[in-house]
Amino acid sequence: DSGVTQTPKHLITATGQRVTLRCSPRSGDLSVYWYQQSLDQGLQFLIQYYNGEERAKGNILERFSAQQFPDLHSELNLSSLELGDSALYFCASSVASATAQETQYFGPGTRLLVL
Amino acid sequence: GQNIDQPTEMTATEGAIVQINCTYQTSGFNGLFWYQQHAGEAPTFLSYNVLDGLEEKGRFSSFLSRSKGYSYLLLKELQMKDSASYLCAVTGGSYIPTFGRGTSLIVHP
Repeated sequence: DSGVTQTPKHLITATGQRVTLRCSPRSGDLSVYWYQQSLDQGLQFLIQYYNGEERAKGNILERFSAQQFPDLHSELNLSSLELGDSALYFCASSVASATAQETQYFGPGTRLLVL
Repeated sequence: GQNIDQPTEMTATEGAIVQINCTYQTSGFNGLFWYQQHAGEAPTFLSYNVLDGLEEKGRFSSFLSRSKGYSYLLLKELQMKDSASYLCAVTGGSYIPTFGRGTSLIVHP
């Protein structure tokens, strides 16, 4: 158990819908990272937040957005869902802001299925 | 950008030794991670190399050659529970890791 929690574990929804995925980092970690993992793409970095502020952006679609709250939990919002958005979404956390090399600890993931 | 290459799949026998290779091309290099991921589960941290050479941690060792853009993960005394995907990840200037597609290791009796 990494100490990172994610809810829900599974999510089934329809095309065009909007969903929110939630992540709580390890106690003391200020950074949260979101990743998407699909069979054909591998683990793709989406976005990082540090202490409430966006710090780095990866291959995140405009239909997706995220935020980190004062209690440091984070939410990833996925809207206008398409079939291709079906994937495992992982949250990871680390102590600081990734200005130095740190290990990221991953949550159990949310499996999203868009029908 | 960063490009990471790993074999897609490997098989090995219980009790044996297996070496999983990773080659990379990056603009800037800060370090290389290895993660283990069982099917449908979270990646878990195995090792981190920043300097050339071998890092040993129990049954698992990781090697790095920065000049060759090459790393390997060595797994000894293989157990059935080692059947998993092994992800190589490289960090460049941003310290955000770029992951390879992973190597699926199948350990059979």
